[in-house]
Amino acid sequence: EADIYQTPRYLVIGTGKKITLECSQTMGHDKMYWYQQDPGMELHLIHYSYGVNSTEKGDLSSESTVSRIRTEHFPLTLESARPSHTSQYLCASSPMTGGNEKLFFGSGTQLSVL
Amino acid sequence: AQRVTQPEKLLSVFKGAPVELKCNYSYSGSPELFWYVQYSRQRLQLLLRHISRESIKGFTADLNKGETSFHLKKPFAQEEDSAMYYCALKGRLGNFNKFYFGSGTKLNVKP
Repeated sequence: EADIYQTPRYLVIGTGKKITLECSQTMGHDKMYWYQQDPGMELHLIHYSYGVNSTEKGDLSSESTVSRIRTEHFPLTLESARPSHTSQYLCASSPMTGGNEKLFFGSGTQLSVL
Repeated sequence: AQRVTQPEKLLSVFKGAPVELKCNYSYSGSPELFWYVQYSRQRLQLLLRHISRESIKGFTADLNKGETSFHLKKPFAQEEDSAMYYCALKGRLGNFNKFYFGSGTKLNVKP
């Protein structure tokens, strides 16, 4: 079934650890995004990708990095997690066609750094 | 600068009452506006978009360019409408379409 998957759903980790948040989509979409959302706040775009080997930084500065080696996979990595990274991270994808473009979201990863 | 404002963090109404969730935007070009909804323990999903001019689950939203608003309305709220609602604007960032989101309004429909 075509969908967008995020794992893990919840992650509690200690300061200084390296983490990777996984995002995969089977929808055949070229564009993928990572949003960060704190409680009661708007979603902030931190990374996006047009397609394979394309990655760009979004509006909100983030210490995380992303890669796009395969169309369906867009993982986000934090080399050294800190409490300030505690947040919800949402992955989304959309087709490349501009006229009917809309975002499809994953279930999100709630990250807590102790 | 592009911005989406949802002034109400929480809106509580009784079942059967009309509901209006406010959304204002600022954008220099021709905007495309959306409403996304997140029900409890579900993912964020598209509710409706202004270019479709459709009614979804009894909700409608009209783009008012003069007032730069895109308020979401429903004449008779139902308990199953309780959710977080996010207004979003699609704008251009170079050759890329970017979505800007408001901070969301939690709608609570009481029995």
